[in-house]
Amino acid sequence: DQQVKQNSPSLSVQEGRISILNCDYTNSMFDYFLWYKKYPAEGPTFLISISSIKDKNEDGRFTVFLNKSAKHLSLHIVPSQPGDSAVYFCAASVAGAQKLVFGQGTRLTINP
Amino acid sequence: DAGITQSPRHKVTETGTPVTLRCHQTENHRYMYWYRQDPGHGLRLIHYSYGVKDTDKGEVSDGYSVSRSKTEDFLLTLESATSSQTSVYFCAISVSWTSGWQETQYFGPGTRLLVL
Repeated sequence: DQQVKQNSPSLSVQEGRISILNCDYTNSMFDYFLWYKKYPAEGPTFLISISSIKDKNEDGRFTVFLNKSAKHLSLHIVPSQPGDSAVYFCAASVAGAQKLVFGQGTRLTINP
Repeated sequence: DAGITQSPRHKVTETGTPVTLRCHQTENHRYMYWYRQDPGHGLRLIHYSYGVKDTDKGEVSDGYSVSRSKTEDFLLTLESATSSQTSVYFCAISVSWTSGWQETQYFGPGTRLLVL
């Protein structure tokens, strides 16, 4: 049972445009959501997070949106840059559980 | 940089041999985790630890054991390696923000394991 799903294995976007990565979840108990970025041969790095009490969180070029009724979150990157080419994982947790559940990942490629 | 190192970084072994991977942290975090990453599966939790000698299973724990005799070290052992355990293994620590209930995990650089 995949509780966190990233249905797009890959996404290709032109440099300077907006990249939108999507993530769906099934467990209504999840109340904290995170995005990680992973380059080849490196560990995942934390990018941005959002609590269920918010519907939007921004950090520079990165914005995460949460739609609790749809159990859907998205990561917007604008403008997209070549260095954004990586695999992006969404993750979710239940307060106090100290465990994350990850999606399968989406490989983002930014084309010049 | 969360002060996490993993060793070895790469390992090739044969089916049936025991393998131990080490995760070392320098910042005294209570929670430590072992994940494996495989194409199409994302990151899956193998085992985690919530203190010295305190460990629990994750979703893919079969064939793996862990030990934590010191706060800074978390060991993952494959008692008898199989080809299905060929993967990239990541260690992580958890840092809690906002009154302790919103935790963010930080990852080590990974160990690439090939079981022939």
